[in-house]
Amino acid sequence: NAGVTQTPKFQVLKTGQSMTLQCAQDMNHEYMSWYRQDPGMGLRLIHYSVGAGITDQGEVPNGYNVSRSTTEDFPLRLLSAAPSQTSVYFCASSPTGQVGNTEAFFGQGTRLTVV
Amino acid sequence: AQSVTQLGSHVSVSEGALVLLRCNYSSSVPPYLFWYVQYPNQGLQLLLKYTTGATLVKGINGFEAEFKKSETSFHLTKPSAHMSDAAEYFCAVSASYGNNRLAFGKGNQVVVIP
Repeated sequence: NAGVTQTPKFQVLKTGQSMTLQCAQDMNHEYMSWYRQDPGMGLRLIHYSVGAGITDQGEVPNGYNVSRSTTEDFPLRLLSAAPSQTSVYFCASSPTGQVGNTEAFFGQGTRLTVV
Repeated sequence: AQSVTQLGSHVSVSEGALVLLRCNYSSSVPPYLFWYVQYPNQGLQLLLKYTTGATLVKGINGFEAEFKKSETSFHLTKPSAHMSDAAEYFCAVSASYGNNRLAFGKGNQVVVIP
């Protein structure tokens, strides 16, 4: 049971570099989301998607892009990394439209350092 | 919009003592409420959730939480702390209809003292 898989687990970037954080789920969930976790801040929503071809901004979207071409994959792109984007990133998925079943399943996280 | 407040970022509890983590929510529609736990260097996993029905919800590892609408609270308790309970705990809320956006509290880091 793979669940939600994130790659890579660790990454160091130089300021201005770009990269894509990968997220894949095998549960056929419609809803996927990206969070960043910073000390004392909890988890903050970056972007989310309610299905293939549909994405929307969350609480802290600046500096990040997403796309959703398939149900399974939801990559997060950093176009020009900044030190403020040093964080732990979590991808999550959950079923949509099932009343009472909105549990989110999380990946193991990607620890990103921008120097 | 939904939001939750968790007070006290670090909580120390003696082994065998009561664990109490407080969560208050704000929601313009009937809420779904969740507690997640994060062990070091891992993702979040669901402890328990409230959707509808019984207001006292039992979860994994002996934890439970009670939904109190009049107090807009969803506090997490465990009667007797174990060393393995050392982790970070997050309360979260989502709308019971509409999108599934989860809003998280800032978390409580629980330290268990032997």
